[in-house]
Parts: sequence; C-alpha cells; structure tokens
Amino acid sequence: QKEVEQDPGPLSVPEGAIVSLNCTYSNSAFQYFMWYRQYSRKGPELLMYTYSSGNKEDGRFTAQVDKSSKYISLFIRDSQPSDSATYLCAMSPTGGGNKLTFGTGTQLKVEL
Amino acid sequence: GAVVSQHPSWVICKSGTSVKIECRSLDFQATTMFWYRQFPKQSLMLMATSNEGSKATYEQGVEKDKFLINHASLTLSTLTVTSAHPEDSSFYICSASYSGSTDTQYFGPGTRLTVL
Repeated sequence: QKEVEQDPGPLSVPEGAIVSLNCTYSNSAFQYFMWYRQYSRKGPELLMYTYSSGNKEDGRFTAQVDKSSKYISLFIRDSQPSDSATYLCAMSPTGGGNKLTFGTGTQLKVEL
Repeated sequence: GAVVSQHPSWVICKSGTSVKIECRSLDFQATTMFWYRQFPKQSLMLMATSNEGSKATYEQGVEKDKFLINHASLTLSTLTVTSAHPEDSSFYICSASYSGSTDTQYFGPGTRLTVL
C-alpha cells in the first residue's frame, strides 16, 4: 500500500465548475500538507500549504485537512482553462522544506 | 525570489554514457537540495537529499554509484547519471530549501533525459 493515494484521473470539467481533488494517506506522522500544480514538462509550483487539520483559503483555492480520517482535499472554484494541469498532493512530518511524500497527481482538464 | 534553475532542460544520450545535470539556486543559498525522478504519469519519487559540503543521503532502492550527487556549494548541486541505460530515461527534478524555510522547497523546471 502506498503511503499517499491519489486518483490519477483524468478529470474533465466545464469552465466555471467547482473542482474537488483528494488524497488519502496512511502515515499518521504527516503534519504538513501541500498541494502543488504541475504543468506538462515543468516543475511543480506550490499552491497551498497547511499544518495539521483545518481549512485554508487563498483566492479560488481552498485546502482542507482532516487528520482523523487521513484525508485532504483541494477545492478550486470558478475553474478556468488555465487551471488545466496535474495537481499533486504532498506531505511531510517535519515541514515543506524537508523530505516530501507525493501522491501520483490528478490530471485536470477544464474545458471551454 | 527563490528561483531554482536546471541545466540542461532536455538531454539525449547514447546508452553507456554519463550525463550531468546541474541544479542552481539563483537568489538564495540552498542548504539542502533534493533530487526527484518522475516517470510519465507517475508521481515524483525522491532519490536523494544533499546538504552542502556533505555526502548525499539516498532513498532506499536508489543506486549511489549510478546516481552521483555533488553539492559543492550553497548554490549548486549536480546529479550525474553514470553509464545511462534506456530505463534511466525520465524527468529529473531538483528542489532546494534554505535554513529557516522549514515550510517550503523551491522546485526547478526539470530535466528530461532520454537514453537511446
């Protein structure tokens, strides 16, 4: 069993839709949770960073962490074609600047 | 700020040759650099962690003699794939963090290696 599970998709939605992306994990030591966006053949860029359980909002993006269920989510409101990318969840017991364990990534396509 | 570059962005080599990939932090001193490998439609897998001036720490299953990592300065780390074979073809990505940035590592744009 992988430490972090993520549905690879692809997920196709119409422009303006609300997108929900999720990851589950098995290692209870994870305390720091991140979402990265990766365009094709590019390096990942950090979208959201959260510590422990709770919600965090940044513009159209909302990250949720439920440590009791070992489940994290990323919501994208008013999705745009420019949001089409692969979204990777990542986790660490000691912080985002240290060793990260990534999910496989979910490929998202937002269509006009 | 916090820009990481990689060179080359794309390299094709013959089987049996060695390839060196550079990772540079352009505007900060990277005390720690990470090297990842990503196969098509798969996640980033950490290969090794390197701290400036010390030997790299390799993840289980990664061959130290095949993937040589050097972190000679606070702005430069290199990954050398020795005696490359077609199965080493992959997307190699580095990232860097600095002391005090416990919440963030900055990723480079990646290097696509194709071994013929």
